[in-house]
Amino acid sequence: GQQVMQIPQYQHVQEGEDFTTYCNSSTTLSNIQWYKQRPGGHPVFLIQLVKSGEVKKQKRLTFQFGEAKKNSSLHITATQTTDVGTYFCAGDSGGSNYKLTFGKGTLLTVNP
Amino acid sequence: GAVVSQHPSWVICKSGTSVKIECRSLDFQATTMFWYRQFPKQSLMLMATSNEGSKATYEQGVEKDKFLINHASLTLSTLTVTSAHPEDSSFYICSARRQVEQYFGPGTRLTVT
Repeated sequence: GQQVMQIPQYQHVQEGEDFTTYCNSSTTLSNIQWYKQRPGGHPVFLIQLVKSGEVKKQKRLTFQFGEAKKNSSLHITATQTTDVGTYFCAGDSGGSNYKLTFGKGTLLTVNP
Repeated sequence: GAVVSQHPSWVICKSGTSVKIECRSLDFQATTMFWYRQFPKQSLMLMATSNEGSKATYEQGVEKDKFLINHASLTLSTLTVTSAHPEDSSFYICSARRQVEQYFGPGTRLTVT
């Protein structure tokens, strides 16, 4: 079945440093979504990427979808303590049965 | 944004008993809801897709007789963990899809003693 790999598993940065998490799917995706889960909380939708090579920005967050629609990345510029949490990518392979396959997530901690 | 609620937020039960968890979409109708299980510091594992008015679709390895899902209406899905055992202790999260986004409930922490 479809697998979604995400690296790194953990990332600790100093406040102000940049952060990137990478996501790779074993199959071509229809779209990819990113979610953030704060410690003790539940996942919250951040964004969806649909087009090959798509790049979207949300303030300090930049999301990219690869040309082959099999990989994606999330980059945070100048991290802040409010960025702490686990970032999950989730791939949708399309088809009649909608299902998201989540990566294992990257736990980001930020040292003030 | 859309709101999905879950009840209870936490529950402790004894081995052998059954526990029902409710998932409600509060401000939109959801023909499809999803039930996930999350272990500490791990990812979300899809257990089943709950379809309103029809049987749930279970993922491979998930016992449908143990994890009973009922999608009674367009705003309510329930997950019943039957004959619970300590290994069923986990964080259970539901979600409902609205357009492209999945909205997650706050989760239910189940502890089986």
